[in-house]
Amino acid sequence: DVKVTQSSRYLVKRTGEKVFLECVQDMDHENMFWYRQDPGLGLRLIYFSYDVKMKEKGDIPEGYSVSREKKERFSLILESASTNQTSMYLCASSQLGTGGTGELFFGEGSRLTVL
Amino acid sequence: QKEVEQDPGPLSVPEGAIVSLNCTYSNSAFQYFMWYRQYSRKGPELLMYTYSSGNKEDGRFTAQVDKSSKYISLFIRDSQPSDSATYLCAMSKGNNRLAFGKGNQVVVIP
Repeated sequence: DVKVTQSSRYLVKRTGEKVFLECVQDMDHENMFWYRQDPGLGLRLIYFSYDVKMKEKGDIPEGYSVSREKKERFSLILESASTNQTSMYLCASSQLGTGGTGELFFGEGSRLTVL
Repeated sequence: QKEVEQDPGPLSVPEGAIVSLNCTYSNSAFQYFMWYRQYSRKGPELLMYTYSSGNKEDGRFTAQVDKSSKYISLFIRDSQPSDSATYLCAMSKGNNRLAFGKGNQVVVIP
């Protein structure tokens, strides 16, 4: 069974703390993505990666960075957490290539609260 | 104008009713059209996908795409309480990025 695993389901952090959200996929997918999901705003793409050590900004990259040192692992970093980063964070992966559905496989999400 | 519009209003229906959901889009380059289902406190999972215009049926679920009107629909027949979830439409141009609607929360009342 294919799987995207997000290590932390629930986190509570203080303003200014550095936060790491980890994601691992076991499907040998080239593409990995980080989204945040907020009520009324839907899914918004933060960053994505097509390959190891490669990253591209999504629609809302401000305040975030990412790291992809291994194919199966994609980390989202909040250098200095702020209250407006309180959200559900979803990691996803997909097979590389044009054509095809671009189907995303999602993890279960990490709900971050910044106080 | 957003690329994909999905009225996020919640929908409550009695068990057995037909659920009708829809999205509109602005980019005619979209070729692949998907519906994701997201249960509470879970990540979205692919429910159905359709390539280009037409209908696709899978059990109680039917997806329709009308590219001329830039309009897609999802129908759920004989709805069950287990269908209670948020449904998100998504579409792609065949590259690696999806454009999502905001999602519809559906509640099926026993």
